[in-house]
Amino acid sequence: AQTVTQSQPEMSVQEAETVTLSCTYDTSESNYYLFWYKQPPSRQMILVIRQEAYKQQNATENRFSVNFQKAAKSFSLKISDSQLGDTAMYFCAFRGGAQKLVFGQGTRLTINP
Amino acid sequence: EPEVTQTPSHQVTQMGQEVILRCVPISNHLYFYWYRQILGQKVEFLVSFYNNEISEKSEIFDDQFSVERPDGSNFTLKIRSTKLEDSAMYFCASSEGGPRSEKLFFGSGTQLSVL
Repeated sequence: AQTVTQSQPEMSVQEAETVTLSCTYDTSESNYYLFWYKQPPSRQMILVIRQEAYKQQNATENRFSVNFQKAAKSFSLKISDSQLGDTAMYFCAFRGGAQKLVFGQGTRLTINP
Repeated sequence: EPEVTQTPSHQVTQMGQEVILRCVPISNHLYFYWYRQILGQKVEFLVSFYNNEISEKSEIFDDQFSVERPDGSNFTLKIRSTKLEDSAMYFCASSEGGPRSEKLFFGSGTQLSVL
């Protein structure tokens, strides 16, 4: 069974700083997708970024980028020039041959003014 | 941008009562899902639904749970006899393609409180 681990329960940085959230996963599959979801206080789940395992190039979406290390089964999220609106829970998720998403425990990120 | 719509946003019920949570997936999507999140915990998969049948379910999804697509637009989750531990945020999600091809679009969730 796949597992996703986020080892940082909470993080806090100053506005405009760069922050990196860690995620590791375990799977025996070779083709899969990895995701980062943002959950603000409204508790809606918002897709931040997606990475396909067969692509070597790291995904980027504006201020958000990932460092995907397939051999190490690591998928970290970097947020550059952090903004107050980035304050939220961030969940790493895995999706392989099965249809379901497997989520990590989440990292609570606080951006301080 | 199209949205997954969930109603109600909040539901309060007594233990032992039946509840139905409703979802309207994005219109051209073919795969539908329910997830739940107990307060302070991670999001957990409940069930996936494709071609009018359950394609996968988790251990959480026992005989007390059922899903239905009663018409061409709605997708419902029924809990027959609610327990205190069913209190959680329930998320509906949908995707256009199969498991490897598309991202999931989540609704805003229904907060279920069982008293």
